[in-house]
Amino acid sequence: QVFLQESGPGLVKPSETLSLTCTVSDFAMSSTYNWGWIRQSPGKGLEWLGTFYHGGTAYYNPSLVSRVTVSLDTSKHQFSLRLTSVTAADTAVYYCTVGPNLYYFDFWGQGTLVTVSS
Amino acid sequence: DIQLTQSPSSVSASLGDRVTITCRASQGIATSLGWYQQRPGKAPELLIYLASDLRSGVPSRFSGSGSGTDFTLTISSLQPEDFGTYYCQQAHSFPRTFGQGTRVEIQ
Repeated sequence: QVFLQESGPGLVKPSETLSLTCTVSDFAMSSTYNWGWIRQSPGKGLEWLGTFYHGGTAYYNPSLVSRVTVSLDTSKHQFSLRLTSVTAADTAVYYCTVGPNLYYFDFWGQGTLVTVSS
Repeated sequence: DIQLTQSPSSVSASLGDRVTITCRASQGIATSLGWYQQRPGKAPELLIYLASDLRSGVPSRFSGSGSGTDFTLTISSLQPEDFGTYYCQQAHSFPRTFGQGTRVEIQ
């Protein structure tokens, strides 16, 4: 059974760094899985942010590549999202995802709302 | 980036109706397309991948077709649990992109 749970601050100030963590079940930490983040906002719909490939390479959305980092901590059964220099446009529901390939998003967390506001 | 355009933006249908949603890609993507269902307040769920392959556990009333730039998701007989918003997603190239969604309402 695959279980994912996002955690992190629900409110971030403009220009600061958004940091979220996804805790995953044992199965989802399989060495052949891939771990990523997607966000959803009313204005931009569903937006893929990045995926950490099990081979060790991370793939990022070019529109965010200078600000986004996805990292993995297998010992803690967690992976993380870091988004720097946030603005109001980064306000969204953030989902963590895992899956056996880089193509589709098989399993999702429940999502966590992050609001960027002073 | 590959743009995906879904139509219609919303559809209202009765139980038992056949519902068809289309997704058009801005360039050819072979069969590298997935479909997701999102119920209100929930995360999207993958239904179909590779344009027409049904994910394990997904009811057989869902089907997908198409290749190149034009794709279709069909619900053969609409059920109460099928309400929600449906999204297509291309897996042909990075960045992965989604359509804007089609809202399905039960009359």
